[in-house]
Amino acid sequence: DSGVTQTPKHLITATGQRVTLRCSPRSGDLSVYWYQQSLDQGLQFLIQYYNGEERAKGNILERFSAQQFPDLHSELNLSSLELGDSALYFCASSVEPGNYEQYFGPGTRLTVT
Amino acid sequence: SQQGEEDPQALSIQEGENATMNCSYKTSINNLQWYRQNSGRGLVHLILIRSNEREKHSGRLRVTLDTSKKSSSLLITASRAADTASYFCATDTDDYKLSFGAGTTVTVRA
Repeated sequence: DSGVTQTPKHLITATGQRVTLRCSPRSGDLSVYWYQQSLDQGLQFLIQYYNGEERAKGNILERFSAQQFPDLHSELNLSSLELGDSALYFCASSVEPGNYEQYFGPGTRLTVT
Repeated sequence: SQQGEEDPQALSIQEGENATMNCSYKTSINNLQWYRQNSGRGLVHLILIRSNEREKHSGRLRVTLDTSKKSSSLLITASRAADTASYFCATDTDDYKLSFGAGTTVTVRA
């Protein structure tokens, strides 16, 4: 158990819908990262937050957004969902950004039908 | 695009044998990390090796880093059935993003 929690574990929704994925980092970790894992794209970095502020952006679509709240939990919002958004979404946390191990949550499996 | 590339893509070994996988990357890094993933579950952090380090050990794991060749290797000694998993290298560059390779799938046969 990494100490990172993600909810829900599974999510099935229809195209065009909007969903919110939630992540609680390990106790003491200030940095939160979101990743998408799909069969065709592999593991892709989406976005990183540090202590409530966005620090780095990766291959995140404009339909996706995220935020980190004062209690350090983070939410990833996915809207206007398409079939191709079906994937595993992982949250990870670290003490600070850069040069530190990242600890991954168990992931949320999103299926868009 | 992916920064790291693992080689081989798949590896099948007998229990008790050693498994070696390699990772090559393209740009300079702060550190390189190895992760294990069991069948679509969460990633487990194995080892982090910084750019100024050449070798690191953790239990049955040995990681080397050659920054001149932009490559790293992960050796698992005396493999067990529980080592069956996908192994990913990830590079951490100045922009604090982890870039993952496509992974090596390791199967340990009893």
